[in-house]
Amino acid sequence: DTGVSQDPRHKITKRGQNVTFRCDPISEHNRLYWYRQTLGQGPEFLTYFQNEAQLEKSRLLSDRFSAERPKGSFSTLEIQRTEQGDSAMYLCASSLSTGVNTGELFFGEGSRLTVL
Amino acid sequence: GEDVEQSLFLSVREGDSSVINCTYTDSSSTYLYWYKQEPGAGLQLLTYIFSNMDMKQDQRLTVLLNKKDKHLSLRIADTQTGDSAIYFCADPTSGGYQKVTFGTGTKLQVIP
Repeated sequence: DTGVSQDPRHKITKRGQNVTFRCDPISEHNRLYWYRQTLGQGPEFLTYFQNEAQLEKSRLLSDRFSAERPKGSFSTLEIQRTEQGDSAMYLCASSLSTGVNTGELFFGEGSRLTVL
Repeated sequence: GEDVEQSLFLSVREGDSSVINCTYTDSSSTYLYWYKQEPGAGLQLLTYIFSNMDMKQDQRLTVLLNKKDKHLSLRIADTQTGDSAIYFCADPTSGGYQKVTFGTGTKLQVIP
């Protein structure tokens, strides 16, 4: 399977703990995005990488959130000192910026975070 | 900031047509998109329309774009139970795809 993969699919943690999610994009895609989706809402943009550079961050991304894409391939999203309000589905997507393309985002199945 | 609005729920009988509507605020995008999310699955691009088009037809899908009113619609002809899903309208801000804003999603329920 050469789609976007995310790990873990589901994480249950206690408030105050740190969690880390990993995303492996489609291998030739140079852009990688993190979105957050809560029940009944559409995905909300969190951050975006072009290769290894983090080019944009939403104001939704508080200081407790950090994302990296160290070699321009996989990415991690870490949440420190989790709060119950962090409970959501964290979606990763990738896309290709070069050549003729429609800007289609290819999404993974998401990592669901439950903070108790 | 960019805002994309959709109605939350639509229920139709199998075989009828479904029409899902969306309004957006950023009019600079090159494309506008419809994504589909099936239960337990990630979002997948369903179709898109180039911003200089008024209509695009793709098999059972028809996308209509009214740029003056900033209104986008998705029509599904002969709706099937397999079409039951959440449909998201999406608009890339500033035309650069760096930040795609999604609507709240319309849950389509198809009654057999």
